Amino acid sequence: EAGVAQSPRYKIIEKRQSVAFWCNPISGHATLYWYQQILGQGPKLLIQFQNNGVVDDSQLPKDRFSAERLKGVDSTLKIQPAKLEDSAVYLCASSLRPSYAGAGDTQYFGPGTRLTVL
Amino acid sequence: GNSVTQMEGPVTLSEEAFLTINCTYTATGYPSLFWYVQYPGEGLQLLLKATKADDKGSNKGFEATYRKETTSFHLEKGSVQVSDSAVYFCALSGSTTGNQFYFGTGTSLTVIP
Repeated sequence: EAGVAQSPRYKIIEKRQSVAFWCNPISGHATLYWYQQILGQGPKLLIQFQNNGVVDDSQLPKDRFSAERLKGVDSTLKIQPAKLEDSAVYLCASSLRPSYAGAGDTQYFGPGTRLTVL
Repeated sequence: GNSVTQMEGPVTLSEEAFLTINCTYTATGYPSLFWYVQYPGEGLQLLLKATKADDKGSNKGFEATYRKETTSFHLEKGSVQVSDSAVYFCALSGSTTGNQFYFGTGTSLTVIP
């Protein structure tokens, strides 16, 4: 079974530029998550989708970050304009069950995209 | 609210030593608990999990027991190997938050021959 795919793996941009990340979850997984992992910290949830609807985006900085999951499969996360503090690894994860099924469903993570903002 | 407090690192052990990484949590309701491992240059991989109190998760010689009375989920391994060198993350999935995960800060483990 193929895992969660992410691209690109690395991205270097200057501040105020825009950038987009792509994620393809495990086939058949209902729920998709984007996390931000700053160096030396644990991942922090940015946004959670169930199929193509948003479940939770309370920690997404909506003035500069946006995300979508078209047709309930692939997802893109965009930053526009980027700030220095956005330098981090952006992780995508997916889980099989819908979020309303409750806790305990394993999340499967992709390799992440390392973003450096200069 | 939900949060995870994890033992600070880095931890350096000799091969075949005993490993304990402490993890405590705060949660509303009845969370599920997880340990994930991150090898250099790779994404997070599930190591083990427990979904209710007194459950023991185990995998690859690692174990952790869900202790509701002490709100803990400490990771243990009896004899570590060089290949266990990685960063370990404790996480909880809250029962009232649609499987949203809350992670600890991670503990870096280095095992020397």
